[in-house]
This record gives sequence, structure tokens and C-alpha cells, in this order.
Amino acid sequence: VQLLESGGGLVQPGGSLRLSCAGSGLTFSTYAMNWVRQAPGKGLEWVSDISPGGDSTSYADSVKDRFTISRDNSKSTLYLQMNSLGGEDTAIYYCAKALGVGPSPLGFDSWGQGTLVTVSS
Amino acid sequence: DIQMTQSPSSLSASVGDRVTITCRASQGISNVLAWYQHKPGKAPKLLIYGASRLENGVPSRFSGSGSGTDYTLTISSLQSEDFATYYCQQCFSSPWTFGQGTKVEI
Repeated sequence: VQLLESGGGLVQPGGSLRLSCAGSGLTFSTYAMNWVRQAPGKGLEWVSDISPGGDSTSYADSVKDRFTISRDNSKSTLYLQMNSLGGEDTAIYYCAKALGVGPSPLGFDSWGQGTLVTVSS
Repeated sequence: DIQMTQSPSSLSASVGDRVTITCRASQGISNVLAWYQHKPGKAPKLLIYGASRLENGVPSRFSGSGSGTDYTLTISSLQSEDFATYYCQQCFSSPWTFGQGTKVEI
């Protein structure tokens, strides 16, 4: 299994960015997918997840109403649209595959290497 | 939201030491707990899920235990490649919250 994030970079406060995560070596449409971030000097923070079919999503309170998770199973790709970005969103963003196929994950068993998002003027 | 509290926040140990990290949930999580190892510049790595199930390929010196609200990760004999930050995560109820991390240093 390989997950490869892209789309990170420098963005001004209030700006937008879309992250992508391309999956390979797995039947992408079978698994729920997640975004997890790590701000500089901080721990891991779960951001959002999406069901295998894309019909159910959830978000951390810190990003609700600003971020939108989506997926294109025909392209084995996960997305995170980030709007109204602030300095608190500066972090490495990882995509992660859910372990198991039930309604809740058992953990996250495959992770990408991460993409850095820096929000600064 | 379920809060996860790890202790200690950091520890110093030597190769060969037995290391124990604890994780306490703010409510019962029915053993739906995972442990990760994270090294700088690398992707986090799943070590344990279901509180005590070893992920494929993870060395047997890692073990997990616990129930209810209290869980433990044990490294039976610390190796040089084990120096990293370790996180617990509950997968009982969304949001899937992580502990604040435990840095294992030389």
C-alpha cells in the first residue's frame, strides 16, 4: 500500500488550498480514509474522515465548516479542500487508511509521508 | 469528545531497558485503542490495535494491554531504532482522538 500526498505549500491567511492523496496497492474504494495533521512541535491531530463510498464524512471541531473531505474512487484519490486558513492550520498533513471495514476504524494502518501546509503572510 | 492522556510526556532510557507508557481515556473505550510510533520526517507507524493485537511485521518486543479507561504500551527490551515518539489513539467514538505523545529519548 502506498499513499502519496500532494498540494501543500505556502498560503496567505484567509486563503484556500486543496490537498490530494493518491493511493496504490489497495482496493481504494473498500476503506474509509482520514486526514491527520501535526503542527510544528505538537502531537498528532485527527482532522477528518470519509466512508468508503464517500457518502459519510466527519470533521474535528477545529476545521468544521472550513474544510471539506472528498474522494474519487475511480482515481483512488482522497482530497481535502481547506478554506479560510489561519496560522493554526500550519502543519504537516497526512492521509491515512482505516484498518478494517467496519463503521469504526481499528486504527490507521497505512500513512502517507505527509505534505506541509504553511499559512503565513 | 473522549480525551486521551498519556504519561509520561517524555522519558530517558537505555538500550535493553523495559519501557512502559500509559494512556488513560476520559471514558471507557472497550479496548478500541491503537498505538503508533512516529519518527521525525517519517510517517507514523501502527504498532498495536485492539489494545493488544500486534500489527503485522511489528517486533514482538512491543506489547499492549489494558481495559476500560487504562491502557499500556510496553517495550520489553528497548532497541536503538525504538527511540521515537509514541501515541495512543482511541477509535471507540469519533473524533478519533490521540494522546499528546510520549517521547522516548536516550
